[in-house]
Amino acid sequence: QVTLKESGPGILQPSQTLSLTCTFSGFSLSTYGMGVGWIRQPSGKGLEWLANIWWDDDKYYNPSLKNRLTISKDTSNNQAFLKITNVDTADTATYYCARIPITIAAYFDYWGQGVMVTVSS
Amino acid sequence: DIQMTQSPSLLSASVGDRVTLNCKASQNIYKNLAWYQQKLGEAPKLLIYNANSLQTGIPSRFSGSGSGTDFTLTISSLQPEDVATYFCQQYYSGNTFGAGTKLELK
Repeated sequence: QVTLKESGPGILQPSQTLSLTCTFSGFSLSTYGMGVGWIRQPSGKGLEWLANIWWDDDKYYNPSLKNRLTISKDTSNNQAFLKITNVDTADTATYYCARIPITIAAYFDYWGQGVMVTVSS
Repeated sequence: DIQMTQSPSLLSASVGDRVTLNCKASQNIYKNLAWYQQKLGEAPKLLIYNANSLQTGIPSRFSGSGSGTDFTLTISSLQPEDVATYFCQQYYSGNTFGAGTKLELK
């Protein structure tokens, strides 16, 4: 059974760095072809893809946010991470992590429940 | 960047109706397209991948078609539990989601 769960700070102030953790089970990021992605959704709005990381530590970022994003993984502990630097109110959203089942087709087949993050002074 | 345009943004239909949702890519993405269903307060759920492959466990009333730039999600007979917002996603180059189609009951 594949499950993912996001965790984060809940609330943080503008200019701070947002650190998110995705803890998963039922698959391994050391398995050939496997990946994890991060997606966010402001309340009442659409989905925005942020970044993907692959089994071989290859990484892809949304070009519009690339200079603020860092994705990483801890294969031994079944975790993936996302850092967003210099946050502002526009980064307020629910953040999801999701599994990518195969390298050649980066769709998301299992999603976490999401974690709400509020940026406010 | 590849842009994804969904239409309509809001669709009202009756139980039992055949419903068609559209998604258009700004350039050729071949069949690198997925469809997701998101119910209020829940995470998105994968329905269709590779434009026309039904994800395991998804009812057969859902189907996807298209290739290149034009894609369609069809619900053959709308059920009350299908009320949701539907998103398309391209994965040919990076990832991009459409803005969504909100499906409600008439």
